[in-house]
Amino acid sequence: GDSVTQMEGPVTLSEEAFLTINCTYTATGYPSLFWYVQYPGEGLQLLLKATKADDKGSNKGFEATYRKETTSFHLEKGSVQVSDSAVYFCALTLIYNQGGKLIFGQGTELSVKP
Amino acid sequence: GAVVSQHPSWVICKSGTSVKIECRSLDFQATTMFWYRQFPKQSLMLMATSNEGSKATYEQGVEKDKFLINHASLTLSTLTVTSAHPEDSSFYICSAQVEAGNTIYFGEGSWLTVV
Repeated sequence: GDSVTQMEGPVTLSEEAFLTINCTYTATGYPSLFWYVQYPGEGLQLLLKATKADDKGSNKGFEATYRKETTSFHLEKGSVQVSDSAVYFCALTLIYNQGGKLIFGQGTELSVKP
Repeated sequence: GAVVSQHPSWVICKSGTSVKIECRSLDFQATTMFWYRQFPKQSLMLMATSNEGSKATYEQGVEKDKFLINHASLTLSTLTVTSAHPEDSSFYICSAQVEAGNTIYFGEGSWLTVV
């Protein structure tokens, strides 16, 4: 079946370090891919998305490239800040106009220390 | 600020009782809402899709008589866990789709503990 696998957390980094959170997927069709972020005490927020192969999503210094050949959508940021501490979820949907039907990875907790 | 609000954020209930979780879209109409649950260190799993004025569509393996979903208005969907048991303890989160659009907003989530 369709699934998303993320690297396990927690990930602990120092401020200004480089971040990579790995995400790979299995899908029978051509999914749209998303990264969501959940800050403490808040709901999930869409961070970025990509709807087709080789698309790069970017937002707030984060970026991820839809790699069909490796079925991956790794999240990267060149210099993390303490305010980036949150849980990050990779997700896919096979029905773009039903974007609420998402298949999520298990989430990766990021902790950034000053 | 939050555009989708869930209530309560935390709830503890006794085994055998029922508990209701509300999901409200605050400043938009949501024809479709989605309910997810998450066990510790696991993915969020879609439970059901809720459409205003009609019966919810449940995902395979989700007991519709145990998890009652009502979407009575364009701004409110409720999830009622009936005859709760400790294994129902989980994180429940809803999302709402903006009417006639692809934008999705998530609520803050609700932690349920059944003792």
